[in-house]
Amino acid sequence: DIVMTQSPDSLAVSLGERATINCKSSQTLLYGSNNKNYLTWYQQKPGQPPKLLIYWASTRESGVPDRFSGSGSGTDFTLTISSLQAEDVAVYYCHQFYSPPWTFGQGTKLEIK
Amino acid sequence: QITLKESGPTLVKPTQTLALTCTFSGFSLSTSGVGVGWLRQPPGKALEWLALIYWDGDERYSPSLRTRLTITKDTSRNQVVLTMTNMDPVDTATYFCSRSLGGGNSCYFDHWGQGTLVTVSS
Repeated sequence: DIVMTQSPDSLAVSLGERATINCKSSQTLLYGSNNKNYLTWYQQKPGQPPKLLIYWASTRESGVPDRFSGSGSGTDFTLTISSLQAEDVAVYYCHQFYSPPWTFGQGTKLEIK
Repeated sequence: QITLKESGPTLVKPTQTLALTCTFSGFSLSTSGVGVGWLRQPPGKALEWLALIYWDGDERYSPSLRTRLTITKDTSRNQVVLTMTNMDPVDTATYFCSRSLGGGNSCYFDHWGQGTLVTVSS
């Protein structure tokens, strides 16, 4: 199984500041034939289901604010929130869909400082 | 508008079989590249993928739970059913169904149901 490890486990950032969450996979998520990284990012608020933010590591889902961006390739990926808003308080998960069993990171809890 | 909703028992006893139904709208499970998966999340813990069925009937299962899971679809009724046998208290979790896009060994989940909390206890 591909193991997904996020860092940090929790993060406190001031409103308007940048938040950065990292995700590392135990093997590459880059598929050579199409040069795509099979990684998504989800946001989950308390009592709600996960919401898709980013797929193919860097493609923003329709309707997601442009302060959210994804980057990285191979085994190292980053989710960046450029200017933290109060509504961004949530747990964030990375997820690999390169090969089954499709696995998730342990989550990063983002709070306001 | 795409919606998914999970239904089924909220409490099951150890060793019983759980059957959950996902009823969806806004898309068709006969469309190429579309699937419906089941995932779960124990209280306070991370997400775990369980099973998925594609538009063409291809089924995928988590190897760690393969012997306990069965996923089926009823395309005409827009429903997907997951059965899990021999339930144990460690299976207590919120169970989500989700639409997937992709195929074969690679798909991602773009729309999710609200989830249903299943407690396993005698």
